[in-house]
Amino acid sequence: KAGVTQTPRYLIKTRGQQVTLSCSPISGHRSVSWYQQTPGQGLQFLFEYFSETQRNKGNFPGRFSGRQFSNSRSEMNVSTLELGDSALYLCASSPDTSSGNTIYFGEGSWLTVV
Amino acid sequence: AQSVAQPEDQVNVAEGNPLTVKCTYSVSGNPYLFWYVQYPNRGLQFLLKYITGDNLVKGSYGFEAEFNKSQTSFHLKKPSALVSDSALYFCAVRVPLFMTTDSWGKLQFGAGTQVVVTP
Repeated sequence: KAGVTQTPRYLIKTRGQQVTLSCSPISGHRSVSWYQQTPGQGLQFLFEYFSETQRNKGNFPGRFSGRQFSNSRSEMNVSTLELGDSALYLCASSPDTSSGNTIYFGEGSWLTVV
Repeated sequence: AQSVAQPEDQVNVAEGNPLTVKCTYSVSGNPYLFWYVQYPNRGLQFLLKYITGDNLVKGSYGFEAEFNKSQTSFHLKKPSALVSDSALYFCAVRVPLFMTTDSWGKLQFGAGTQVVVTP
């Protein structure tokens, strides 16, 4: 069974640009969440989607957005990129919204903003 | 609000010796607790979790963790460390959904503990 797949793995963007990251969850998983990892702030929750609906959102500015498609695949978008957005963005999936479920992570998308 | 503390930035251990990575939590009610490991330039790999039941949880790669409610701790242990166990370890907590909808998909992570196992 394939794991969580994220694309692209690495990308470099310029300040002010926007970026879209893609995530395919484990087959059969319907809940997708996103996290940002930086050396200074550690792992921070961005948002979670289930059945194409955002169920929860972390403390990030509105420049960070996401969506989920009917096949559970998800994308996140960051507009007007800032240097501080440079981070590893991790997508994770779980079967449903039960809080006892294991959340499985992808390899991440490394974003560098210059 | 829930929080997780990993008091040690780094743990150094010789190969073959026991390994312990500490984690304490602060959350209302009965939390769900998780351990993940991250190798360089990789995502997070799930090791084990505590939901309910036996306080000693066994997980992947020979790791285990003991849930201690009175001390609000969930320390990760391995009886005999390997050089290949060198990685960054994260403890995480999740509050059951019946207690708060803020828990949707959300893991609260500790800052991480770097484990260095020397030959």
